[in-house]
Amino acid sequence: EVQLVQSGAEVKKPGESLKISCQASGYSFADYWIGWVRQMPGKGLEWMGVIYPGDSGTIYSPSLQGQVTISADMSTSTAYLQWSSLKASDTAIYYCVRSKNYFDSWGQGTLVTVSS
Amino acid sequence: EIVLTQSPGTLSLSPGERATLSCRASQSVSSYFLAWYQHKPGQAPRLLIYGASTRATGIPDRFSGSGSGTDFTLTISRLEPADFAVYYCHYYANSPRRYTFGQGTNLEI
Repeated sequence: EVQLVQSGAEVKKPGESLKISCQASGYSFADYWIGWVRQMPGKGLEWMGVIYPGDSGTIYSPSLQGQVTISADMSTSTAYLQWSSLKASDTAIYYCVRSKNYFDSWGQGTLVTVSS
Repeated sequence: EIVLTQSPGTLSLSPGERATLSCRASQSVSSYFLAWYQHKPGQAPRLLIYGASTRATGIPDRFSGSGSGTDFTLTISRLEPADFAVYYCHYYANSPRRYTFGQGTNLEI
């Protein structure tokens, strides 16, 4: 069974850094794109970007390019989403997703709250 | 860039009724890359339909997808209380790789 298990909720201040994680199991981590989708408060779903763990190739949504960094660790089958300097507008629920032509498996979501 | 527009924004129906949700693409797209998701508050979204009309594993046959070109439809034949949620259509473009969501339809009782 494919499972994506995400790290827990975070409360941060503007300007702080953050790295959240998504550990995959039940499939060959190297062989599938894995990505991130966010839901800002009261808004819909927004695709952020994906990584192919086999070669670390990454693709970002044009609207988010440079705002976040997606990475992956093959040794632990874990994908990461990180920020170097958070803003209040980064407050959202972040979901990791196994990515084919569609998202067939989703993590449980990580709530990130950025507030002074 | 493909833009997906869903209608209506909110659909108010009762259990047992039929729901018809629309997704319109800004240009003709391959139905192979069109999917639908269900999202309930406090839960992760769930894949319902991919390839415009193929139900995902475990999805009951009350859910069906159809369409081609620019117009796609998700139909729920007999609404059950658990079906009230937000539904998103979704498109994958492969060159370059991009994923786009519609803005969602809120199906409420």
